[in-house]
Amino acid sequence: DGGITQSPKYLFRKEGQNVTLSCEQNLNHDAMYWYRQDPGQGLRLIYYSQIVNDFQKGDIAEGYSVSREKKESFPLTVTSAQKNPTAFYLCASTRFANTGELFFGEGSRLTVL
Amino acid sequence: AQTVTQSQPEMSVQEAETVTLSCTYDTSESNYYLFWYKQPPSRQMILVIRQEAYKQQNATENRFSVNFQKAAKSFSLKISDSQLGDTAMYFCAFITSGTYKYIFGTGTRLKVLA
Repeated sequence: DGGITQSPKYLFRKEGQNVTLSCEQNLNHDAMYWYRQDPGQGLRLIYYSQIVNDFQKGDIAEGYSVSREKKESFPLTVTSAQKNPTAFYLCASTRFANTGELFFGEGSRLTVL
Repeated sequence: AQTVTQSQPEMSVQEAETVTLSCTYDTSESNYYLFWYKQPPSRQMILVIRQEAYKQQNATENRFSVNFQKAAKSFSLKISDSQLGDTAMYFCAFITSGTYKYIFGTGTRLKVLA
């Protein structure tokens, strides 16, 4: 079945550590996104990528980094520079040049101890 | 700046009744797409309904329909014959044609009561 797989679902991190959240899609979508979800704030865009080897900062990119070496993969690294990293992270994708439906993964819950 | 406003943080409805979730947005563009997404307690976000701004006819998907008022920049979601499985967070979103940045509202938490 086609879809988006995020891992891990739950992750605990000590302060000062970098962590990487995985996002893999087999939908053959060109565009991929990372959102952060906090209670009462909806979805805020961290980074997005329209095509392999290219990505753009979203509204809250500080303290995060991404790479897009393969079409299927768009990992997100939460660095120690992110001051408040505890949140729910959602990965999504959509077809190139199609302003249609975003497909979402099941999300990753990051907790900083 | 392009924004989406959902003014109802929480709503509840009795099973089998009808409920309307409101959404307003702000953009200076004329060609865009509007969406309602559902996020149930399991957390996976799914598309409920989609509307192209150039279409005057309101989109409908089974029990879900929208009231799209382009001049007023309003895009409300009506859920008819509410079911317990409709309990979820609902997000309104839009994207301007030719861009890749979806704009989301803060969500409305809907609870369907038995």
